[in-house]
Amino acid sequence: GAVVSQHPSWVICKSGTSVKIECRSLDFQATTMFWYRQFPKQSLMLMATSNEGSKATYEQGVEKDKFLINHASLTLSTLTVTSAHPEDSSFYICSATGTSPIRTQYFGPGTRLLVL
Amino acid sequence: GESVGLHLPTLSVQEGDNSIINCAYSNSASDYFIWYKQESGKGPQFIIDIRSNMDKRQGQRVTVLLNKTVKHLSLQIAATQPGDSAVYFCAENYAGNNRKLIWGLGTSLAVNP
Repeated sequence: GAVVSQHPSWVICKSGTSVKIECRSLDFQATTMFWYRQFPKQSLMLMATSNEGSKATYEQGVEKDKFLINHASLTLSTLTVTSAHPEDSSFYICSATGTSPIRTQYFGPGTRLLVL
Repeated sequence: GESVGLHLPTLSVQEGDNSIINCAYSNSASDYFIWYKQESGKGPQFIIDIRSNMDKRQGQRVTVLLNKTVKHLSLQIAATQPGDSAVYFCAENYAGNNRKLIWGLGTSLAVNP
């Protein structure tokens, strides 16, 4: 149980284009989803917290107009990197957690983004 | 705040030996702790968790120890196998933090055959 999928697993795009990444909880309802970014050999950096049906809460330093997050249902959250630039190239990972008070986060397999 | 590191500590063990991975957590108010395993190019995988009202919890081949006095967490892996090679992260959470996790720097475990 507690399976989270992400799509696509990798994407290469040209600078200036937008990229959408989907995160789905396959066998449970995810009231909260989290989006992370990870650089090589580093820990996970939380970008934003997304609760179903409400606006995402972004961490300090993360541009909300750059990284658009939508959590339209209890099983789907999307992250759109708008007008992507080479510095946005990274490994993006989502996680999902069930209804409070559950605090365990289950992670997707990640999406590797390369912006040329 | 978040922990971001530039150099991952590395632990190298022989196959069949026991591994102990340590983690110092930051917030004395944290009451929930998780260990994750991350293989190269993949998302973190849940291993085991523990709440602050416990000091030990066992799973299949893994044991987590919690010492709240010194804010220390450890993960013990019995009979380490090559498939255990990965980066291991500890994460902490405290009530009222909107279920956000505070992440450790990670430890790279290399298992030598």
